[in-house]
Amino acid sequence: IAGITQAPTSQILAAGRRMTLRCTQDMRHNAMYWYRQDLGLGLRLIHYSNTAGTTGKGEVPDGYSVSRANTDDFPLTLASAVPSQTSVYFCASSGGQTYTFGSGTRLTVV
Amino acid sequence: GENVEQHPSTLSVQEGDSAVIKCTYSDSASNYFPWYKQELGKGPQLIIDIRSNVGEKKDQRIAVTLNKTAKHFSLHITETQPEDSAVYFCAASGYNQGGKLIFGQGTELSVKP
Repeated sequence: IAGITQAPTSQILAAGRRMTLRCTQDMRHNAMYWYRQDLGLGLRLIHYSNTAGTTGKGEVPDGYSVSRANTDDFPLTLASAVPSQTSVYFCASSGGQTYTFGSGTRLTVV
Repeated sequence: GENVEQHPSTLSVQEGDSAVIKCTYSDSASNYFPWYKQELGKGPQLIIDIRSNVGEKKDQRIAVTLNKTAKHFSLHITETQPEDSAVYFCAASGYNQGGKLIFGQGTELSVKP
């Protein structure tokens, strides 16, 4: 692993189903983030974690939850997916002000 | 909270021409302004950044300028090449955002050979 790994790379999900997007980093960065990318809206922050054991809400947290049990992993869970959650999801980490992004998960909710 | 506006949303230039992308921000306390490049199918990558104590920064063909009074900053790419084609995002952060980056809406740059 080098940097940030996201899984899966893409997923088609039935509405109402539960889904967890995985994110793992090997840089020992304290801070981690989840963004969603939608055309015309740029990157919007969903949730963040400044350090292991803590999490916070971003601009668009509704319908999503996160956990940070350790430094390396920061999973994002959709408890009951809705079509408006169709998007590309990016995980990022930072050891200072520079962010390192994963390659993204393309999620389609039908 | 901080709000970042980015223009234009799309930009098409001929190879060799210059490209300029502009961003404005709302929080006068923001002090860090990075630019990210996103190639197709990949995550954004940092290409250049500027801090509030500097007015301009250059790195080969790219440069960023910052006007703190007007609360705007710009990305300048000279001698554009086809491989510059990508989506570019500006962002801002500072103490009021807890160091978190607030991104603009993105600019899709197309460089035509």
